Amino acid sequence: DAKTTQPNSMESNEEEPVHLPCNHSTISGTDYIHWYRQLPSQGPEYVIHGLTSNVNNRMASLAIAEDRKSSTLILHRATLRDAAVYYCILPNNAGNMLTFGGGTRLMVKP
Amino acid sequence: EAQVTQNPRYLITVTGKKLTVTCSQNMNHEYMSWYRQDPGLGLRQIYYSMNVEVTDKGDVPEGYKVSRKEKRNFPLILESPSPNQTSLYFCAVKGLSSTDTQYFGPGTRLTVL
Repeated sequence: DAKTTQPNSMESNEEEPVHLPCNHSTISGTDYIHWYRQLPSQGPEYVIHGLTSNVNNRMASLAIAEDRKSSTLILHRATLRDAAVYYCILPNNAGNMLTFGGGTRLMVKP
Repeated sequence: EAQVTQNPRYLITVTGKKLTVTCSQNMNHEYMSWYRQDPGLGLRQIYYSMNVEVTDKGDVPEGYKVSRKEKRNFPLILESPSPNQTSLYFCAVKGLSSTDTQYFGPGTRLTVL
C-alpha cells in the first residue's frame, strides 16, 4: 500500500490560512487521497478527499499536485477549533483504510 | 444521523479477565473495523470486516478476536487481556467504495492492570 509522509507538527495564527502538506510519492493512479482530522478526545472525522482535481468543501480545500505525488490541505481561516491532528491517507484498492500514521498536529494560536 | 456506538466508553480490568467491547452502526454499511491508538504510534488497525461472516486481520491482530454475525454489530473480544493492550480503541464504519467516508465511534479507553 502507498505510504504518506507528513510533518509532525505545524503552528498557525488564528484567522490565517493554513497549508498542511502530504507527500505520497508511491501513489497509484487509482488511489484517492483522503484527509481526516482528530480533535482532542474524539475519534477521527472526515475532512475531504480527491483524486486528481482540486476539491473544495465547507471545511477545507484540497490541492493535488499535477503528478499526484503530493497534496496540500488548506484551511482558509484557521480557528481555535481547528486545532487537531490531521491525517493524510491513501486507502488500498479495497477501500480499506489501514494505517493512519502519525499525522500533523496543528496548533492554532489566538 | 450517522452513528457509531461503542460500549463501554471506559473500562479498567485485570490481566486475564475476558472482555468484549461492542460496536454498532445505524448506516447499513458493509465495512467495519477496529483500531487502537497509542501515544506516538498513531491509529493502527486491529481487524476489519467487509461483510457478515467475513473478517480479516489488520496490522496488529495479536491478542484480539472479532465476530460479524450481524451487519450492524462488530464486537472486539480480548480473551485474556494483558497490560500491553491498555489503549484507546476506535470502531470505524464505511461503505466499500474507496471514496466512502469512514465514520468513527467515540472511543473506548481500556486499562488492563
